[in-house]
Amino acid sequence: DAMVIQNPRYQVTQFGKPVTLSCSQTLNHNVMYWYQQKSSQAPKLLFHYYDKDFNNEADTPDNFQSRRPNTSFCFLDIRSPGLGDAAMYLCATSRGGGREGYNEQFFGPGTRLTVL
Amino acid sequence: AQSVTQLGSHVSVSEGALVLLRCNYSSSVPPYLFWYVQYPNQGLQLLLKYTSAATLVKGINGFEAEFKKSETSFHLTKPSAHMSDAAEYFCAVSRPGYSTLTFGKGTMLLVSP
Repeated sequence: DAMVIQNPRYQVTQFGKPVTLSCSQTLNHNVMYWYQQKSSQAPKLLFHYYDKDFNNEADTPDNFQSRRPNTSFCFLDIRSPGLGDAAMYLCATSRGGGREGYNEQFFGPGTRLTVL
Repeated sequence: AQSVTQLGSHVSVSEGALVLLRCNYSSSVPPYLFWYVQYPNQGLQLLLKYTSAATLVKGINGFEAEFKKSETSFHLTKPSAHMSDAAEYFCAVSRPGYSTLTFGKGTMLLVSP
């Protein structure tokens, strides 16, 4: 089945220790998104890639970076995690273009990040 | 700018009762509208979407929603709740030509026996 895969599902890191979260997709979608979701809140878009074009949300902290080496993979790097960065991180994909039928986003299961 | 308002952070129903989750949107252009469901420690799953075709949209698991432009609403309904429907539900809006979504704050649906 075509899908969005996130690894690991649970990640524990220490305060200030860099961490990388991984997302891969078999849908061959143009657009990949990273969201941060804190407890009982809506997902908050951090950034997205339209093919290789990187789009950063204005309020995404500099501490968060992303890489998309190819169509299938996208990484979220947190350079110096703080306690406030503990959250669920969701990866999503869409075909892109914004045309009818192209906006639907497909989500991975998420990675729950704990910062000690 | 677009926004979504979901009325009620929690909705409680009995098994077999009608489910009604409210969503109102604000958009300067005709919107695309979505309902997603999230089970604990899972990603979001699309329930249904409105993309300017039929105003009554049927989705998975017996859910449906009606787009009402005059009321700027896109409420989610299900005639008979099942225990397995207990989850968090998010309404989201986007606009033609853009792929990003704006989510509402979510409504937690609680189903009691």
